[in-house]
Amino acid sequence: NAGVTQTPKFQVLKTGQSMTLQCAQDMNHEYMSWYRQDPGMGLRLIHYSVGAGITDQGEVPNGYNVSRSTTEDFPLRLLSAAPSQTSVYFCASIRAGGAGNEQFFGPGTRLTVL
Amino acid sequence: AQSVTQLGSHVSVSEGALVLLRCNYSSSVPPYLFWYVQYPNQGLQLLLKYTSAATLVKGINGFEAEFKKSETSFHLTKPSAHMSDAAEYFCAVNRRGGNEKLTFGTGTRLTIIP
Repeated sequence: NAGVTQTPKFQVLKTGQSMTLQCAQDMNHEYMSWYRQDPGMGLRLIHYSVGAGITDQGEVPNGYNVSRSTTEDFPLRLLSAAPSQTSVYFCASIRAGGAGNEQFFGPGTRLTVL
Repeated sequence: AQSVTQLGSHVSVSEGALVLLRCNYSSSVPPYLFWYVQYPNQGLQLLLKYTSAATLVKGINGFEAEFKKSETSFHLTKPSAHMSDAAEYFCAVNRRGGNEKLTFGTGTRLTIIP
């Protein structure tokens, strides 16, 4: 199993550009989420999904869109990139049905917006 | 709502010395508690978790943590630090009966002095 995979690993955008961060998991997990990591702030939840066709907002959703058409994939879209979105983005998946379950994280995408 | 506070954004210890990383939680109901580790340029990996009546939890790489309800703490320890322990460590909380959304602390960067 590959676990959780993310592409690209690095990306540089100009202000106003759009892009999609890809995330895929092969563990058949129902629940997937996107976090951003900024120095001194830990991980903050952007959006999450409890299953195909179901998404909801997390703590910092503004400027981002998500969709979940399949169990495996959960892309994150930046509609119009801003310098404040410079961050490291992590995708995670978890088997649903237990708040004590382990979340599995991808390797991250480092995004710089100029 | 639940939250965690990690005391000390940076901790330095000598190789072979005791590692102690502090985490205090706030939760209106009994919590599940987690420690994750992030090595440079990688995603997060689960070290250990507290989900049961056993208050002393052993994890990978020689780490352990003790759940103390009276102190609302879940501090991470390792008797003897190794150079390979240099990483960032995150405490996280979820509530029993809740959904899969984790709340993370702001992280503690551990440096090992040779």
